Amino acid sequence: GQQVMQIPQYQHVQEGEDFTTYCNSSTTLSNIQWYKQRPGGHPVFLIQLVKSGEVKKQKRLTFQFGEAKKNSSLHITATQTTDVGTYFCAGHRWGGGADGLTFGKGTHLIIQP
Amino acid sequence: NAGVTQTPKFRILKIGQSMTLQCTQDMNHNYMYWYRQDPGMGLKLIYYSVGAGITDKGEVPNGYNVSRSTTEDFPLRLELAAPSQTSVYFCATHDKLRTGKSEKLFFGSGTQLSVL
Repeated sequence: GQQVMQIPQYQHVQEGEDFTTYCNSSTTLSNIQWYKQRPGGHPVFLIQLVKSGEVKKQKRLTFQFGEAKKNSSLHITATQTTDVGTYFCAGHRWGGGADGLTFGKGTHLIIQP
Repeated sequence: NAGVTQTPKFRILKIGQSMTLQCTQDMNHNYMYWYRQDPGMGLKLIYYSVGAGITDKGEVPNGYNVSRSTTEDFPLRLELAAPSQTSVYFCATHDKLRTGKSEKLFFGSGTQLSVL
């Protein structure tokens, strides 16, 4: 079945440093989504990427979708304490139906003041 | 609008007990899902439904059952609780799949279940 690998599993940064998490799928994706989960909270949708090579920005967050639609990345510039949490990518396989997304295991972002 | 509401928030079960995790949504979304999240892991799909009266198995359905009698409600049933079912359970919804439109999931706040 489809696998979505996400690295790193944990990332410690000093406040103000940049952060990047990477997501790789074993199969071509129809689209990829990114979610953020605060400690003790539930996943919250950040963005969906659909087109090959797509780049989207949300303030300090930059999301990229690879040309082959098999990988993606999330980059946060100048991290703040509010960025703490786990970032999940979720790939929707090509032609996939309602059985939804395959989630990566997530990257836990830990920020030291 | 409340969005997706899950109850209870916490529960401790003894091995062999049964319980129902409730999920209700007021967004009139057709698609509903149950995921479980184990520590340090991603979300695994247990069951899903594309509309009232229709349910299907996800990646990890063993030990669980669901029903979807209305658009709003999608309860998850554990019949014989086992320690392996200790997890955080999330219910999620989204609107029907539409090409080119965001298919984002809306999650409930989760139920933390411990089976001892």
